Amino acid sequence: EPEVTQTPSHQVTQMGQEVILRCVPISNHLYFYWYRQILGQKVEFLVSFYNNEISEKSEIFDDQFSVERPDGSNFTLKIRSTKLEDSAMYFCASRLAGGQETQYFGPGTRLLVL
Amino acid sequence: GEDVEQSLFLSVREGDSSVINCTYTDSSSTYLYWYKQEPGAGLQLLTYIFSNMDMKQDQRLTVLLNKKDKHLSLRIADTQTGDSAIYFCAETHTGGFKTIFGAGTRLFVKA
Repeated sequence: EPEVTQTPSHQVTQMGQEVILRCVPISNHLYFYWYRQILGQKVEFLVSFYNNEISEKSEIFDDQFSVERPDGSNFTLKIRSTKLEDSAMYFCASRLAGGQETQYFGPGTRLLVL
Repeated sequence: GEDVEQSLFLSVREGDSSVINCTYTDSSSTYLYWYKQEPGAGLQLLTYIFSNMDMKQDQRLTVLLNKKDKHLSLRIADTQTGDSAIYFCAETHTGGFKTIFGAGTRLFVKA
């Protein structure tokens, strides 16, 4: 069964460093998402992406964040200058267009900012 | 605004039924979901229901939707210790660019 994959599974970085989290959505899906889950808290929407542009973003998704689909398969989330409070699990998700509303989530990348 | 509320904890004995409840505020919600998250793991889609349905059954899982009260429930029959996890209620609506999650209900199953 096709699935969303994410790399790395874990990343540790120093405050102020840039990180890039990578996702490979399901191949025929057209909508892509990033969510984050701070330890012990709810899953929060960050951004959605369709047709090579951001469709919607939350207030969390400030100028430190950016997304890109550099080729036909990868979908990345970049955090330019990480802060301690960026430590969280980051989930990528994808959805097929045409009325199929179910999002499929990847296994997540656990980011720890020291 | 959009919000999804769930109780935080539920404890049941093995073999009993578990019922996890959820309320949501967005009346335009079209899809409502239940996700399961085991410790340190990702989000596993358990089941979902379209808003024009009242009930959906899938093996041990029964989802009930009361659209008038904006109330969603997940019943797990014959609960097993392997069902211990956090269960997230979530909703999206047509155009569905984002999914709104509840805080999750932590289910403890006692042997």
